[in-house]
Amino acid sequence: KNQVEQSPQSLIILEGKNCTLQCNYTVSPFSNLRWYKQDTGRGPVSLTIMTFSENTKSNRRYTATLDADTKQSSLHITASQLSDSASYICVVRDDSWGKLQFGAGTQVVVTP
Amino acid sequence: DADVTQTPRNRITKTGKRIMLECSQTKGHDRMYWYRQDPGLGLRLIYYSFDVKDINKGEISDGYSVSRQAQAKFSLSLESAIPNQTALYFCATSDFTGEGYTFGSGTRLTVV
Repeated sequence: KNQVEQSPQSLIILEGKNCTLQCNYTVSPFSNLRWYKQDTGRGPVSLTIMTFSENTKSNRRYTATLDADTKQSSLHITASQLSDSASYICVVRDDSWGKLQFGAGTQVVVTP
Repeated sequence: DADVTQTPRNRITKTGKRIMLECSQTKGHDRMYWYRQDPGLGLRLIYYSFDVKDINKGEISDGYSVSRQAQAKFSLSLESAIPNQTALYFCATSDFTGEGYTFGSGTRLTVV
């Protein structure tokens, strides 16, 4: 069973609207949680990295939250743009040697 | 030039053929990784190397082998390709702490 579960699998939003993606994880011990953006045909690119002591972190129109007690994270996209169309992947770093556990991703499509 | 370069970008090969995917990096990172991405699944670790003399199996190493020719070069081989090895393959690097993860643009491999 995957230790990092993301929802929804996919979503379609209108340009300019906001959306929130969810990530639940069971990885333990836990070092940090990352959100990556993966454009079609490209490698994942880091958006945010949060340690267990951080509750929120922003990167331009992307805001990630983390609740280490409930092992949940979210990624909020504000005022979406067409260029936000991509897969967003939640990744948890195992604290043992730094192994990364990847979620399957949420495919976001922004339409005009 | 890209920090992590993968070649080829796309490859179609026949069942039973040997194929090598190559990865080179200019990040100066010690650690290098090979991942596989399938639709609906998170990236899965095939092999990883912490330095030139260190090679470790990941979670799905069967049917694959690797070679770390230099700090900057890490190649993945499929000795006898089979159709269920059709996937998107990513090389990644990180620093010695396991941070600063950088992914290549991927190699789309199709085995027919």
